[in-house]
Amino acid sequence: DAGVTQSPTHLIKTRGQQVTLRCSPKSGHDTVSWYQQALGQGPQFIFQYYEEEERQRGNFPDRFSGHQFPNYSSELNVNALLLGDSALYLCASSSDRASYEQYFGPGTRLTVT
Amino acid sequence: KQEVTQIPAALSVPEGENLVLNCSFTDSAIYNLQWFRQDPGKGLTSLLLIQSSQREQTSGRLNASLDKSSGRSTLYIAASQPGDSATYLCAVPYNFNKFYFGSGTKLNVKP
Repeated sequence: DAGVTQSPTHLIKTRGQQVTLRCSPKSGHDTVSWYQQALGQGPQFIFQYYEEEERQRGNFPDRFSGHQFPNYSSELNVNALLLGDSALYLCASSSDRASYEQYFGPGTRLTVT
Repeated sequence: KQEVTQIPAALSVPEGENLVLNCSFTDSAIYNLQWFRQDPGKGLTSLLLIQSSQREQTSGRLNASLDKSSGRSTLYIAASQPGDSATYLCAVPYNFNKFYFGSGTKLNVKP
């Protein structure tokens, strides 16, 4: 049983560019959450997708957007990249029917130059 | 809004010691609390999940307790080993779906 997978592993972008990160949830999970983790900090909640809709959102600007597909996989899009967007982006999957326990992917390291 | 604090921020102990990591949260209306381990540059590995109706959970050398009324959880690691060196994070959900993390405790177990 594959766990949560994310792609790509690493990414380098230039300020002002746009980026798309991808996540496939653990088998049987229908909910995907995205987090941003700056160096030395705990993960910060960006948003959560359930039934192809954004269900909850953290304190992030509209430059951060997402999508969930019918197979429950998800994308995180960030527009007009800033240097401060450099971070580890983590995807977590869970199931509303399984106590909300979260399982995390390995993350995508985004560097903005 | 939920705020999560972890103390200490860093801890260095000799191998074999028993140790306690602390997590506190401001809103006690939580559904569960989850402890994670993170190795440098890696994703998070779930260690223990405590439901709000439970007071503790155990897995091997790890024991986590939860006191909702005081807004605290502790992670107890018995007989620490160098392989336990990592950052330990606690997370609580707010409104069921919005998870808040502490900044973590960075543990170093010296051989």
